[in-house]
Amino acid sequence: DAGITQSPRHKVTETGTPVTLRCHQTENHRYMYWYRQDPGHGLRLIHYSYGVKDTDKGEVSDGYSVSRSKTEDFLLTLESATSSQTSVYFCAISERGNTIYFGEGSWLTVV
Amino acid sequence: DQQVKQNSPSLSVQEGRISILNCDYTNSMFDYFLWYKKYPAEGPTFLISISSIKDKNEDGRFTVFLNKSAKHLSLHIVPSQPGDSAVYFCAASDIGSSNTGKLIFGQGTTLQVKP
Repeated sequence: DAGITQSPRHKVTETGTPVTLRCHQTENHRYMYWYRQDPGHGLRLIHYSYGVKDTDKGEVSDGYSVSRSKTEDFLLTLESATSSQTSVYFCAISERGNTIYFGEGSWLTVV
Repeated sequence: DQQVKQNSPSLSVQEGRISILNCDYTNSMFDYFLWYKKYPAEGPTFLISISSIKDKNEDGRFTVFLNKSAKHLSLHIVPSQPGDSAVYFCAASDIGSSNTGKLIFGQGTTLQVKP
């Protein structure tokens, strides 16, 4: 298994509150990603990082921000959570930007 | 604008037969393609990949075919086993033209293999 740890694994939060999901890797891989999985939409890229402090938007970045201050950690922040952000969030890593490896997921419910 | 599409939401096959999962893409810059498998409550796991310089890649029971002119790839599983029942995602990237490592996924196809 790729050395990826996501936290928290499960969270219930209220609409309008900020939420931060953390992804920690022990592989020293350059690339890190945040995806969300929703029925009928598959896996959609939220944000990704191609190096420390180098990040870019994915397909569904509105309402999300990220930070990567060191190689091993990639944080995803929901600035003001909405019910449409109820989803399963997956972090992924890649050494060369080709094959990526996923974490186990974080289940977020916004009520 | 869905750049990677899996038009069949589900597929059911008998154990021992061939499973064929299909994927279409629209971006001609994509040059690297992958298939992932996902069980419920787990993260997707990498299955097999293919570069655009090839038209076929095989790994055990899994073979991926790429038709660049049709912008189409398929995953063949032979023989299918009940443990193959999962959601399968195809994904594409433009490694040759960018250094961002951005990977775009399709919507997924749920495969059920009946004993």
